[in-house]
Amino acid sequence: ETGVTQSPTHLIKTRGQQVTLRCSSQSGHNTVSWYQQALGQGPQFIFQYYREEENGRGNFPPRFSGLQFPNYSSELNVNALELDDSALYLCASSATGGSPLHFGNGTRLTVT
Amino acid sequence: AQSVAQPEDQVNVAEGNPLTVKCTYSVSGNPYLFWYVQYPNRGLQFLLKYITGDNLVKGSYGFEAEFNKSQTSFHLKKPSALVSDSALYFCAVFNSGNTPLVFGKGTRLSVIA
Repeated sequence: ETGVTQSPTHLIKTRGQQVTLRCSSQSGHNTVSWYQQALGQGPQFIFQYYREEENGRGNFPPRFSGLQFPNYSSELNVNALELDDSALYLCASSATGGSPLHFGNGTRLTVT
Repeated sequence: AQSVAQPEDQVNVAEGNPLTVKCTYSVSGNPYLFWYVQYPNRGLQFLLKYITGDNLVKGSYGFEAEFNKSQTSFHLKKPSALVSDSALYFCAVFNSGNTPLVFGKGTRLSVIA
């Protein structure tokens, strides 16, 4: 069973740039969620995709967008990067609502 | 909206002693409750969950948690702490449908040899 994998592991960007983070979900999981974890904080929900449709969104501006592909892998795109976007971005997949989320190791984004 | 409170930023315990990491929640309806652990530079690992049934839930690595509906609590426990248990612990709650899993801010557990 292949777990959740995220790429890249680390990324450094400049303010105003755009970034794409990628996630491969665990085999058999059709739901992908993205979370932002700032230093010393708990993960904050960004959005969730189920069968290629966004079906939940947290309190993040529209410059945070995403995609889910037919193989249930996913992308998180962030436009017009700001310094406060520096964080660990976590992807998690699950089989059904209420079942445990399985997390990848995250992408550490630094915006300078 | 659902929320989770972890009142302690840090818990220190001696190796071999019992440990408790506290969590209280607020949610309308019946909660699904979870505990996750995070090691440095890693994602979150699932420890255990409560959905229904027995109030004492057993999970991975000897951890257990007790659901208390009247106190809206879901404290994480272990009878005998190990140094390797030192990590960041997150409590999380899920309500139903398309609502997301909401996490607390985390509690750093330090087990001292």
